[in-house]
Amino acid sequence: DTAVSQTPKYLVTQMGNDKSIKCEQNLGHDTMYWYKQDSKKFLKIMFSYNNKELIINETVPNRFSPKSPDKAHLNLHINSLELGDSAVYFCASSPSGSPQYTQYFGPGTRLTVL
Amino acid sequence: GESVGLHLPTLSVQEGDNSIINCAYSNSASDYFIWYKQESGKGPQFIIDIRSNMDKRQGQRVTVLLNKTVKHLSLQIAATQPGDSAVYFCAESGRGGKLIFGQGTELSVKP
Repeated sequence: DTAVSQTPKYLVTQMGNDKSIKCEQNLGHDTMYWYKQDSKKFLKIMFSYNNKELIINETVPNRFSPKSPDKAHLNLHINSLELGDSAVYFCASSPSGSPQYTQYFGPGTRLTVL
Repeated sequence: GESVGLHLPTLSVQEGDNSIINCAYSNSASDYFIWYKQESGKGPQFIIDIRSNMDKRQGQRVTVLLNKTVKHLSLQIAATQPGDSAVYFCAESGRGGKLIFGQGTELSVKP
């Protein structure tokens, strides 16, 4: 069974479109995260949610809006996509928001904006 | 600001040799550090962690060393195998409990 899953794995879209990436974890964790990995493999946190409540919101454009319908799901919606949004987006989860708990990552969603 | 950096972006080693991957961090207040392994097309996978009250921690074929004086972290992999080929990231705990990842070092193992 996949612990942290993301859909879709690949997403190719035009500039200006709106798209969503879904994430689900079956580990019973309370905290979920979204990270962005650029072409140089640099990983940077975007958001974290603890039990459906937003905990971390880095300086991410307002076009990015996370939504957590329940603690097992954290979706990422992106409005008005731009070329610079092209990256691999990773969802992760951990038992709590403390960094001393291991974060488990999903397989990633490669977003390409044309 | 907070940053975690790596000395070498790529490392090539012979199968069976030991590998050492280095990492420098800037926040002296960080109290938790983690190494992740990312294979091609996959998400990062936890390898080993260390708290700031320790200077060494060993796992299976991996050892993490922490030198708080010079704010340096290293990952040692013993008897490197082809399956160890991946990008390795160090990460430190930052403000608000978030993890701050370093640039990554790509390890290539030659048979």
